[in-house]
Amino acid sequence: GDSVTQTEGLVTLTEGLPVMLNCTYQTIYSNPFLFWYVQHLNESPRLLLKSFTDNKRTEHQGFHATLHKSSSSFHLQKSSAQLSDSALYYCALNTGGLSGKLTFGEGTQVTVIS
Amino acid sequence: EAAVTQSPRSKVAVTGGKVTLSCHQTNNHDYMYWYRQDTGHGLRLIHYSYVADSTEKGDIPDGYKASRPSQENFSLILELASLSQTAVYFCASSLSWGGREQYFGPGTRLTVL
Repeated sequence: GDSVTQTEGLVTLTEGLPVMLNCTYQTIYSNPFLFWYVQHLNESPRLLLKSFTDNKRTEHQGFHATLHKSSSSFHLQKSSAQLSDSALYYCALNTGGLSGKLTFGEGTQVTVIS
Repeated sequence: EAAVTQSPRSKVAVTGGKVTLSCHQTNNHDYMYWYRQDTGHGLRLIHYSYVADSTEKGDIPDGYKASRPSQENFSLILELASLSQTAVYFCASSLSWGGREQYFGPGTRLTVL
């Protein structure tokens, strides 16, 4: 079945330094949709950005990611971390089928310190 | 702004008891989902529905039932609650299928004792 792997479970960053969260996926479908959701403490997950176009950079709220189908990756990056970026980040996959199902990775807990 | 509400927001249940979690959306979305969130497992899909009066099994349906009596409402039912079902439960909705954003409710924290 489909799967999403986020290799880092916990990440601690210093404010002002770059952020990179890894996401790789497995699916037999050739045109997947990839998403990043962010969940701040005591809140619900919300969409940060999404893509289905190969090799096209997608940006939102200072974060960016590029879907690379050749390596099945959709890494999340930001040039300079802020304290407010402390949150739980989920990478998720949708194969575009009728169900609309999302397959989530296990999440990466990011803590930004000053 | 999409609106998904859940009730109750928190609940303590006894082992073997019946628990019903409710979800209501005013987005006019066809699709609704129930997820559970556990540390180390992320978000896992329990049941989903893309039309009223019909539900589908997700990835971890065992021990849960779902009901979609109308487009707006989607319930998750635990007939015999167990300790292992202690978790945070999120309801979500989305337009149609494919690469559509899912809008999440505020979550229900369920503790089974």
